[in-house]
Amino acid sequence: DARVTQTPRDKVTEMGQEVTMRCQPILGHNTVFWYRQTMKQGLELLAYFRNRAPLDDSGMPKDRFSAEMPDATLATLKIQPSEPRDSAVYFCASGLHDSGGYTFGSGTRLTVV
Amino acid sequence: GQNIDQPTEMTATEGAIVQINCTYQTSGFNGLFWYQQHAGEAPTFLSYNVLDGLEEKGRFSSFLSRSKGYSYLLLKELQMKDSASYLCAVKNDYKLSFGAGTTVTVRA
Repeated sequence: DARVTQTPRDKVTEMGQEVTMRCQPILGHNTVFWYRQTMKQGLELLAYFRNRAPLDDSGMPKDRFSAEMPDATLATLKIQPSEPRDSAVYFCASGLHDSGGYTFGSGTRLTVV
Repeated sequence: GQNIDQPTEMTATEGAIVQINCTYQTSGFNGLFWYQQHAGEAPTFLSYNVLDGLEEKGRFSSFLSRSKGYSYLLLKELQMKDSASYLCAVKNDYKLSFGAGTTVTVRA
């Protein structure tokens, strides 16, 4: 089965450190999303790429978060500097535009202490 | 904006039927999705409705009424492994917005 691969699975870091999360979307999918999930807020959309172009990052705190897609097989989400309130599970999802739903990766559980 | 409501928790007995309701108010609509999420795992796709009516997939069925802004997910012949969170999500253009999820607990 094709799947979305995310690394690392778990990350514990100290406040102020840079965190980079990586995602390999399903081959052939032209849309990639970054979501953040917390108990309080549920699943929130952070960023959206179509054909590697960033089309929506309105859900992302611009001062510390950045999302890129350097090639079709890699999407990255960076937090610099990280803060305790960034602790959450970060999911990457991919799909085909105008076609059904999206497939989620296993997520990166981030803990900032 | 998007407003998606679903109950927080439901409990049912193994072998029974449970219906999870979802109501939504959105600025645009391109389809309604249901995802299942087990604790500590990723959401997995269950069903997709874009037209009114019932879609059946084995033990799971999903219904949509666009005029009423209403959907439900029906889980039949409940099994212990169905204990999970069920997320209603509305698609508007590309954007998939999720409800808070309904935690279903199946008891023996």
